[in-house]
Amino acid sequence: EVQLEESGGDLVHPGGSLRLSCAASGFTFSDYYMDWVRQAPGKGLEWVGRIRNKANSFSTEYAASVKGRFTISRNDSKNFLYLEMNSLRTEDTSVYYCTRPPLGTYYYMDVWGKGTTVTVSS
Amino acid sequence: EIVLTQSPGTLSLSPGERATLSCRASQSVSSRYLAWYQQKPGQAPRLLICGASRRATGIPDRFSGSGSGTDFTLTISRLEPEDFAVYYCQQYGTSPPSLTFGGGTKVEIK
Repeated sequence: EVQLEESGGDLVHPGGSLRLSCAASGFTFSDYYMDWVRQAPGKGLEWVGRIRNKANSFSTEYAASVKGRFTISRNDSKNFLYLEMNSLRTEDTSVYYCTRPPLGTYYYMDVWGKGTTVTVSS
Repeated sequence: EIVLTQSPGTLSLSPGERATLSCRASQSVSSRYLAWYQQKPGQAPRLLICGASRRATGIPDRFSGSGSGTDFTLTISRLEPEDFAVYYCQQYGTSPPSLTFGGGTKVEIK
């Protein structure tokens, strides 16, 4: 069964840092692009960023709202995706979802984790 | 950046009724770049429709997507109790590569 499981969500002060992890199973993780999507309390969905596979140089893309503060990385030997978040702001408070676009079609996400909650508050 | 506007914000209907949800883009979007998701309270979103009109695996045929250019529609032909949820459209942009979501439409029981 294809699964994504996020972890690492916590309460952090403004200006602080946090690293989220996503454990992937049930598919050949290294073949796929991976994305992070977030959802603020009571709000809609916001794409955070993407990391491509080794064949595409592990290149990354980020939403303007997080560029320069967040970094997406991956460990294909362990089947893990990461989101390193620095200079956190109260507006970064959200549920963060690890997601997977299908192979060869990178226009949407067909697999989602259950999410992990990040709260940025003093 | 392309902005997606969903309407209405809330749709109040009864089980068995037809639901029509709109997603309007600020610029033309290729149909293959348009998707729809369903999200129930406390759950992750679930892919319903990709390529504007293709149902994802396991999605019942009462869900259908249509449209092109700047206007896209998700139709639920006869609402079942489990269909009351929030629905989001999403598009893929190429310059730079990115994904954007609409603000969502909540389908609630009347």
